[in-house]
Amino acid sequence: QVQLVESGGGVVQPGRSLRLSCAASGFTFSSYVMYWVRQAPGKGLEWVGAIWFDEVTTYYTDSLKGRFTISRDNSRKTTFLQMNGLRAEDTAMYYCATLGLSHSLNHWGPGTPVTVSS
Amino acid sequence: QSALSQPPSASGSLGQSVTISCSGSRNDIGEYNQVSWYQQRPDKAPTLLIFGVTERPSGVPDRFSGSKSGITASLTISGLQSDDEAIYYCSSYAGSDASVIFGGGTTVTVL
Repeated sequence: QVQLVESGGGVVQPGRSLRLSCAASGFTFSSYVMYWVRQAPGKGLEWVGAIWFDEVTTYYTDSLKGRFTISRDNSRKTTFLQMNGLRAEDTAMYYCATLGLSHSLNHWGPGTPVTVSS
Repeated sequence: QSALSQPPSASGSLGQSVTISCSGSRNDIGEYNQVSWYQQRPDKAPTLLIFGVTERPSGVPDRFSGSKSGITASLTISGLQSDDEAIYYCSSYAGSDASVIFGGGTTVTVL
């Protein structure tokens, strides 16, 4: 069955960088657009960005453009979220998800927590 | 784009129904039939309940139904069960690149 597992989260100081990974299994990874979504503690969901099948085409929410970069390696069935210049407001649970029909996110990983704190 | 607007809470008695609204704009819900609903239980990832305004993924009970009128989408949970206590989020394609916008979430309580 479809499985997504995020990793790489942790506690990081403001201004530092962190790279999250999302390992996929149980489906043809190269055929799926991958999304990243985050959720600050006690808050709602926020779309971070997405990467297309071609490993090149990416989209980001406006507020994160220039600081966050999404990539993927279809041969390794993994997508990555590179986060630079981290700020306290980036503290959140970070989820990867697959894009399904009608722009739904039909499969989600359990998430990996990121805490930005000095 | 602005977030979609949901009531913070909703409640209903066991066996009854509850409807959650999700208000957007002409640029998202009003333009696209690409509204989804997610259920999130405490400390768990969201799961997809409804896509394409009215469609249910396999495995989702038909007690969950979705609809849309104008710029407002709705999720109705019929025959409320205690297991339905969770936070429910709506989302819509926002028509710009790959953007998806979410509502702020509605906490459903079963009385």
